Amino acid sequence: GQNIDQPTEMTATEGAIVQINCTYQTSGFNGLFWYQQHAGEAPTFLSYNVLDGLEEKGRFSSFLSRSKGYSYLLLKELQMKDSASYLCAVKGFGNEKLTFGTGTRLTIIP
Amino acid sequence: GAVVSQHPSRVICKSGTSVKIECRSLDFQATTMFWYRQFPKQSLMLMATSNEGSKATYEQGVEKDKFLINHASLTLSTLTVTSAHPEDSSFYICSARDRSPRGQGEKLFFGSGTQLSVL
Repeated sequence: GQNIDQPTEMTATEGAIVQINCTYQTSGFNGLFWYQQHAGEAPTFLSYNVLDGLEEKGRFSSFLSRSKGYSYLLLKELQMKDSASYLCAVKGFGNEKLTFGTGTRLTIIP
Repeated sequence: GAVVSQHPSRVICKSGTSVKIECRSLDFQATTMFWYRQFPKQSLMLMATSNEGSKATYEQGVEKDKFLINHASLTLSTLTVTSAHPEDSSFYICSARDRSPRGQGEKLFFGSGTQLSVL
């Protein structure tokens, strides 16, 4: 099975940087995703990591270490609109489905 | 990117009625679609994997007779909540991948979700 852990809530200041961690234990691994979800809306794709290392995409970066079962999402130059839930999800090897973590509710304060 | 359309966006119904939710891939074909449920302030929980032309695969603990899934074409999957009760009130979201050559590989596209409220 899959077990995915991430902090429940975080708070950060506008203009600052925040790192959201995700650890996972899985019976098979074939990629890790980060999604952003605003309240009452569907999740939107942020990043996908399948190999170790850092993937940078504008203000957002995602890191993966497969040996440690660890990933983080780094958000820079925070804006008020970044207040949302951030979901870490793992794709198992040999199947199509994604298993989501509990999500991290990020609140940006002025 | 690929578009997944889901409707209705909001349903309010009486206890005991059945509710059908549709999920369509608008510009790509989806042999597989996924149905998730999300309770307030919680993450997405996979309910079932919908397979075109065959039976859906349900996750452990999900009642297949209560949550009927039909995937009759490559662009449409439906979830019917039968004899809905207040505890079925939740946010239901479908998703699919675009496996076409122009698709975005592993990226999962989500519908806009359906908020079901059972009175």
